[in-house]
Amino acid sequence: TQLLEQSPQFLSIQEGENLTVYCNSSSVFSSLQWYRQEPGEGPVLLVTVVTGGEVKKLKRLTFQFGDARKDSSLHITAAQPGDTGLYLCAGVFRGAGSYQLTFGKGTKLSVIP
Amino acid sequence: DVKVTQSSRYLVKRTGEKVFLECVQDMDHENMFWYRQDPGLGLRLIYFSYDVKMKEKGDIPEGYSVSREKKERFSLILESASTNQTSMYLCASSSDRGLNEQYFGPGTRLTVT
Repeated sequence: TQLLEQSPQFLSIQEGENLTVYCNSSSVFSSLQWYRQEPGEGPVLLVTVVTGGEVKKLKRLTFQFGDARKDSSLHITAAQPGDTGLYLCAGVFRGAGSYQLTFGKGTKLSVIP
Repeated sequence: DVKVTQSSRYLVKRTGEKVFLECVQDMDHENMFWYRQDPGLGLRLIYFSYDVKMKEKGDIPEGYSVSREKKERFSLILESASTNQTSMYLCASSSDRGLNEQYFGPGTRLTVT
């Protein structure tokens, strides 16, 4: 099983602040997915990044895939209380004959009004 | 709307009981997954199935078994529940083993006393 390191593990910020969450691995990803999980619910896909150096935007969320496809970041601009949740990165690795999805441990974000 | 449903949101069982967790998806996906989610440990894959009657062990299969008799239904079985199996259990389905988005159910919070 490939390992993904997510940082920070916890983040508590005031409404309106900016933040960045990181996802790193020593292995190269085929692609990387970001999920958000709200309390009492299952994770929901936000975005998939595929190409090294790729940047995707989803309203106030900016996702970046590292040039070497070993790391990714999620930047939130002007955080809102509705952004509160657990953010999970999931790396797709090419195994023997199939793809394997491995999740990071997550970053728990609290946005205080 | 695509949907993955799980039979119970909350479950309390006694040590030694046999526990069945059911998951149903309506997307005609071939691949289905069972994870457990624990604070600080993230999502860990227990078992997955890539076809009816087919199953493969994930990272932590010990103490669990699975059943996939129909394409839309994937069951997780705890033969003899133990307190260290107290956890949040998440079911997911996907059109691919790892490359594509996984759709999650809302989770079952199982407490074993």
